[in-house]
Amino acid sequence: KNEVEQSPQNLTAQEGEFITINCSYSVGISALHWLQQHPGGGIVSLFMLSSGKKKHGRLIATINIQEKHSSLHITASHPRDSAVYICAASTGANSKLTFGKGITLSVRP
Amino acid sequence: EPEVTQTPSHQVTQMGQEVILRCVPISNHLYFYWYRQILGQKVEFLVSFYNNEISEKSEIFDDQFSVERPDGSNFTLKIRSTKLEDSAMYFCASNLDRGEKLFFGSGTQLSVL
Repeated sequence: KNEVEQSPQNLTAQEGEFITINCSYSVGISALHWLQQHPGGGIVSLFMLSSGKKKHGRLIATINIQEKHSSLHITASHPRDSAVYICAASTGANSKLTFGKGITLSVRP
Repeated sequence: EPEVTQTPSHQVTQMGQEVILRCVPISNHLYFYWYRQILGQKVEFLVSFYNNEISEKSEIFDDQFSVERPDGSNFTLKIRSTKLEDSAMYFCASNLDRGEKLFFGSGTQLSVL
């Protein structure tokens, strides 16, 4: 059974800061997903990656398969980045995801 | 961008009643999923559905739960006799192929009283 852990649990940053959110998982995976959940509850997929690094705007996601670890970086953070960031792992050729608990990020102006 | 839509956004029901949660996945997607999130807890997988049948289900998805794609556009989750512990946010998701990016709906908040 795959366990997905995220750290830190809560994170507060000042606008403009560089932010890193970490995720580790316990067994081999086919892909690691980074998701964003806003206070209204909706979930948006940010990245899906199985190796290396992906970048979209101010967001960068990296994964180290050997270490079973992934990071989500936010550059030049902004209050609108305030949300819950969740990592989730899929194993095998399916999209059954095992979710982490999520990190609540607050970016202060 | 295409969206997965879910209705209703909120549903309140009495314990023991049947509820149907509705989802319209993205039109060309082939794989459909239900997840749920109990308040303060992790999102949990319930069931995946492909080619008009369940492809995988979790331990949570017992005989009280069923899914259906009745008309080629809707994807429904039915809970036959709701329990208090079924209170949660239920998310529908879809993707074009297994292992592809998932698109989530905005969720249905189910409250069982």
